[in-house]
Amino acid sequence: DTGVSQDPRHKITKRGQNVTFRCDPISEHNRLYWYRQTLGQGPEFLTYFQNEAQLEKSRLLSDRFSAERPKGSFSTLEIQRTEQGDSAMYLCASSLVLGDTEAFFGQGTRLTVV
Amino acid sequence: EDQVTQSPEALRLQEGESSSLNCSYTVSGLRGLFWYRQDPGKGPEFLFTLYSAGEEKEKERLKATLTKKESFLHITAPKPEDSATYLCAVQGANGQNFVFGPGTRLSVLP
Repeated sequence: DTGVSQDPRHKITKRGQNVTFRCDPISEHNRLYWYRQTLGQGPEFLTYFQNEAQLEKSRLLSDRFSAERPKGSFSTLEIQRTEQGDSAMYLCASSLVLGDTEAFFGQGTRLTVV
Repeated sequence: EDQVTQSPEALRLQEGESSSLNCSYTVSGLRGLFWYRQDPGKGPEFLFTLYSAGEEKEKERLKATLTKKESFLHITAPKPEDSATYLCAVQGANGQNFVFGPGTRLSVLP
């Protein structure tokens, strides 16, 4: 396993369109996280899953954002009716629940809304 | 609410000039404190986990230390390839999400 994989790496979309991103975690990791990062800021938590259950969602997360993790494997993050303020790097990370719980990140998806 | 602050915001060093980065945190029971390195346009790369006050971890020119309120990342004799943003994060006792600081942007000049 080569680590966390995200697709696509870059996405340019017009305002109002829907976009979907995919994340494939490290295979033995049962936790999967989504973060958003804007220039000069640290990653901001969006949501996380333990296996297929979505256990926490940021209070700041708009209803236009939805995430799924069917069968506890890969995850998708969908943004509906995109706005210019959604432009950011979307990061996925995975970790174990017990033992060494550090999160390992993918390379991110850079979203630009024009 | 868990919070992380980092200082300085940016740091410029000459090659070989040692220094330290600070991460101050407030958390309701610390499960772990994590240091990451991030290069421009890439995802954060894991460096260290610290679990309890007094713990230290080392990797090449980097050494991370932890007290009950803050962590330091010491960089000894840095090289230009150490230039990156260094992020600090905490995970509280509830073991849920990671809360990140804003990062310190390090530039090492040859």
